[in-house]
Amino acid sequence: GESVGLHLPTLSVQEGDNSIINCAYSNSASDYFIWYKQESGKGPQFIIDIRSNMDKRQGQRVTVLLNKTVKHLSLQIAATQPGDSAVYFCAENRAGNQFYFGTGTSLTVIP
Amino acid sequence: GAGVSQTPSNKVTEKGKYVELRCDPISGHTALYWYRQSLGQGPEFLIYFQGTGAADDSGLPNDRFFAVRPEGSVSTLKIQRTERGDSAVYLCASSLIGQNTGELFFGEGSRLTVL
Repeated sequence: GESVGLHLPTLSVQEGDNSIINCAYSNSASDYFIWYKQESGKGPQFIIDIRSNMDKRQGQRVTVLLNKTVKHLSLQIAATQPGDSAVYFCAENRAGNQFYFGTGTSLTVIP
Repeated sequence: GAGVSQTPSNKVTEKGKYVELRCDPISGHTALYWYRQSLGQGPEFLIYFQGTGAADDSGLPNDRFFAVRPEGSVSTLKIQRTERGDSAVYLCASSLIGQNTGELFFGEGSRLTVL
């Protein structure tokens, strides 16, 4: 079946290092992708999005890369800080207004 | 309030009981979503409202689940004859524009436990 999934369920990085979180998707019809951050006990928080007509988009300390050939999405966080510790989800928009979320990657920043 | 408000934050009920979960979206947001999140999983789409009408309810798992938004603002998710498998965090989100935007503003969720 079709799915949105993540390569790694957990990731630990040293404070100050860059983090890369990966996501694979299988629906080639998806044309819009979003990264969310979820801290414990809270709802997901929008980080950055990218449409399928782009392969890179940058925000503040974050960059999203989209490789449509291999159906792969990544989130890069520069100079990772303790406040970046959270679960990160990629989500795809397949049709209409449904957003399908992956399982998530838990990022732990080591001081 | 400034954000999406959900009540109750926690609800414990017994199998077979009826439950209502409330969502108060950000003022002026026309689109409202309900998601369900089980432990260790990503949010699972349930239903989407644009204004008062359910534009997409394809994610509702069965007919025990129902949601309303009678005045285009507050929404209530209703679960009949609850089962243990319904235990999850129910998330509500709203957005200003419902079409193809991922900037959903989520509430902190209502944690439902069915004993």
